[in-house]
Amino acid sequence: DAGITQSPRHKVTETGTPVTLRCHQTENHRYMYWYRQDPGHGLRLIHYSYGVKDTDKGEVSDGYSVSRSKTEDFLLTLESATSSQTSVYFCAISALSGHLNTEAFFGQGTRLTVV
Amino acid sequence: AQKVTQAQTEISVVEKEDVTLDCVYETRDTTYYLFWYKQPPSGELVFLIRRNSFDEQNEISGRYSWNFQKSTSSFNFTITASQVVDSAVYFCALSGANNAGNMLTFGGGTRLMVKP
Repeated sequence: DAGITQSPRHKVTETGTPVTLRCHQTENHRYMYWYRQDPGHGLRLIHYSYGVKDTDKGEVSDGYSVSRSKTEDFLLTLESATSSQTSVYFCAISALSGHLNTEAFFGQGTRLTVV
Repeated sequence: AQKVTQAQTEISVVEKEDVTLDCVYETRDTTYYLFWYKQPPSGELVFLIRRNSFDEQNEISGRYSWNFQKSTSSFNFTITASQVVDSAVYFCALSGANNAGNMLTFGGGTRLMVKP
């Protein structure tokens, strides 16, 4: 199994508070991603990183920011949590890109509830 | 824009039946990659297969087989002689070759229930 650890695994927070989710990898993979999973939508990309300090937006980035100060860590921050951000969040990693595209491996997920 | 459609939201079968999960995709990329992932009740996402757009050869792995047809933009997944342990949500996903990394566009998923 790919070495990906998400923390926390479960969190309940109040509307308006900031929340940070952490993804830690031991595979030294270049690419890291944050997805959210909601019923009927599958998984949707929030942000991704293609190297230390190199990040970009995905499909559903509003209300989220990310940071990657080290290869192994990718943080997702909800600046001011809203109930619409209640979801399961998955971190993923992959090794290569372009025509040498490889599969992405996913963490265990973080269930976030905003009340 | 890319899109993946899994029209079957839920399928229920009895153990030992064969079942096919449908996946239809849309992309303007000439080179792309298709994936299937399994999400068992425990919640993790398990990689099953990756297929390159330039390789239309079908693949079989044990009870699992995949039928890739570019002409119909489909990448269907068949489980032969289903088992209770196959009960899960299955996701089809698409990635373009020009993506910076492996950014996946997922379908909505198909929940498969295999009854004993």
